[in-house]
Amino acid sequence: DIQMTQSPSSVSASVGDRVTITCRASQSISSWLAWYQQKPGKAPKLLIYAASTLQSGVPSRFSGSGSGTDFTLTISSLQPEDFATYYCQQTNSFPLTFGGGTKVEIK
Amino acid sequence: EVQLVESGGGLVQPGGSLRLSCSASGFTFSSYAMHWVRQAPGKGLEYVSAIISNGGSTYYADSVKGRFTISRDNSKNTLYLQMSSLRAEDTAIYYCVKESESWGQGTLVTVSS
Repeated sequence: DIQMTQSPSSVSASVGDRVTITCRASQSISSWLAWYQQKPGKAPKLLIYAASTLQSGVPSRFSGSGSGTDFTLTISSLQPEDFATYYCQQTNSFPLTFGGGTKVEIK
Repeated sequence: EVQLVESGGGLVQPGGSLRLSCSASGFTFSSYAMHWVRQAPGKGLEYVSAIISNGGSTYYADSVKGRFTISRDNSKNTLYLQMSSLRAEDTAIYYCVKESESWGQGTLVTVSS
């Protein structure tokens, strides 16, 4: 199985800050990577797929980059509604494993 | 609008069985692979299982292989997860997922004596 390692596990930031979350795959997954946002008590929401394609309706302050084994999710200017937990998931091969999550907290 | 509604969760004793269902609407169910993902209380997301559109191939996480069975009834637009030999560590919210973009609200499974 492909292992997905996210870092950091948590980050404290202020509104307006730029936040970067990284995800590393244990082997190459080309661009088969998705990013999700999850708020407490809610199902995850797809933000980005194919490493860098923004899902319809997702604000443009979210962006994704990377290929192969190293990927990044960037929030260019953190908004109050962005405080949540973020997960990466490889969609290259079954089982479609998730990273451990990154909690973005208010500083 | 895509809707996925899970049901069948509840409290079950260790070693017991449970069948989850996911009723789908708003899209051509028979054209899509479907997935189950779970989340233990306070923990991260864990991929559980997948089934391709015609039910011909299935995939499982090692943690559930041999104990869980995924299936679908395309005539009823319904996805299933048959869970047996349940363990305390199977306690989680179970989500039904279409592709990556559509998730149900989840159903809670609690394994406890």
